[in-house]
Parts: sequence; structure tokens; C-alpha cells
Amino acid sequence: EAGVAQSPRYKIIEKRQSVAFWCNPISGHATLYWYQQILGQGPKLLIQFQNNGVVDDSQLPKDRFSAERLKGVDSTLKIQPAKLEDSAVYLCASSTSVASSTDTQYFGPGTRLTVL
Amino acid sequence: AQKVTQAQTEISVVEKEDVTLDCVYETRDTTYYLFWYKQPPSGELVFLIRRNSFDEQNEISGRYSWNFQKSTSSFNFTITASQVVDSAVYFCALSEESGNQFYFGTGTSLTVIP
Repeated sequence: EAGVAQSPRYKIIEKRQSVAFWCNPISGHATLYWYQQILGQGPKLLIQFQNNGVVDDSQLPKDRFSAERLKGVDSTLKIQPAKLEDSAVYLCASSTSVASSTDTQYFGPGTRLTVL
Repeated sequence: AQKVTQAQTEISVVEKEDVTLDCVYETRDTTYYLFWYKQPPSGELVFLIRRNSFDEQNEISGRYSWNFQKSTSSFNFTITASQVVDSAVYFCALSEESGNQFYFGTGTSLTVIP
């Protein structure tokens, strides 16, 4: 079974530029998550989708971050404009559950973003 | 307040030693789930175990074992006869049935010295 795919693996941009990350979850997984992991910290949930609907985006900085999962499969996370503090690894995860976040989440390799 | 506390920031052991990684959690839910993930240098979080709050049986999987104690709100992880490939950051996580959040600890960085 293929795992969660993410691209790109690395991205370097200058502040105020825009960037987009892509995630393809495990086939058949209804729920998709985007996390931000700052160096030395645990992952922090940014947004959770259930199929193509948003379940939780309370910690997404909506003035600059946006995410979509239009067809309920793959998803895109965008930052516009980027700030220095956005430098982090952006992890995508998916789970089978349509009910809650208590199911096991399977993670992709992440995208390491460096903002200069 | 931190939902999941991993007090050990960094641990170094010599190969073949046993090592225990501590995890203390906080919740008011009666139904909740605890997880351990491994994050090797490649960066991908690898699922290790999921345990629900009603199952306090300890679990062993090869060199890995987990000790779940509700009385102390702890879910500790032991690696027996550690190997260099065990070097990674290990995260404990909590998910409550009442909410949508998945709470991660700050991680314990384990280095196994050959």
C-alpha cells in the first residue's frame, strides 16, 4: 500500500514570497491533516479535512495560510506571503476515520520550508 | 497546560542498553487514545502503537514494550537491547474522543552510540 505522498520535499523562498505544498493521502483515507513542525517541537495541527470539508482550522493563520481539498482526495496548503517564522517542516497525515481524530494517523515525509 | 509531557529532551545510551522514554498525559475524558511515533532523521513520523484508555495491558512487540498506567497518567515506552537504528526523535501523542485535536509531546531525542 502506498503511503502519504508529499511534494516538494524541500523549498527555500524569500520572505513575502508565496509557496504551495501538495499532499496525496493513502488511498481510501477520508481524513487529511496538515501539521506544522518547528525545529525542536512536536507537530502542531493546522487544519483537518474530512473528505472535502474542513473539520478544524482553528490554528490555521488564515491571514496568510490557506488549504483546500477540492475533490476529497489530494490537498494543497498555501502560504502567501511567507514570513521568517514560517520556516518549519509541513507534515501531511491521513486516517481512515470519518468520525473523529482518534484513529491512527499516517504521515508523509514532510516538506521542509526555509524562509530567508 | 501541556496535554502531553515528555520530560526527557535528549537521551544517549550505548548500544545494547535498555532505555525507557517517559510520557505523561493530562485529560478529563474517560475515553482517549495514546500513541507513540518515531521520527528518524529522514523526517517521516512512523506509527508505533495506539492504545485506548480502557486497555491497560502492557504490550510487547519485539524489542519494544509499552507500560500504560492510568493511575499515574503515564504511557512509557521501553526499547530493550537498543540498536543504532533506534536513534530518532520519539513522540508521544494523545487524542480525546470529545475533540478533534491530536496533541503531541515535544519529543525525546534518542541517540544510540555504537
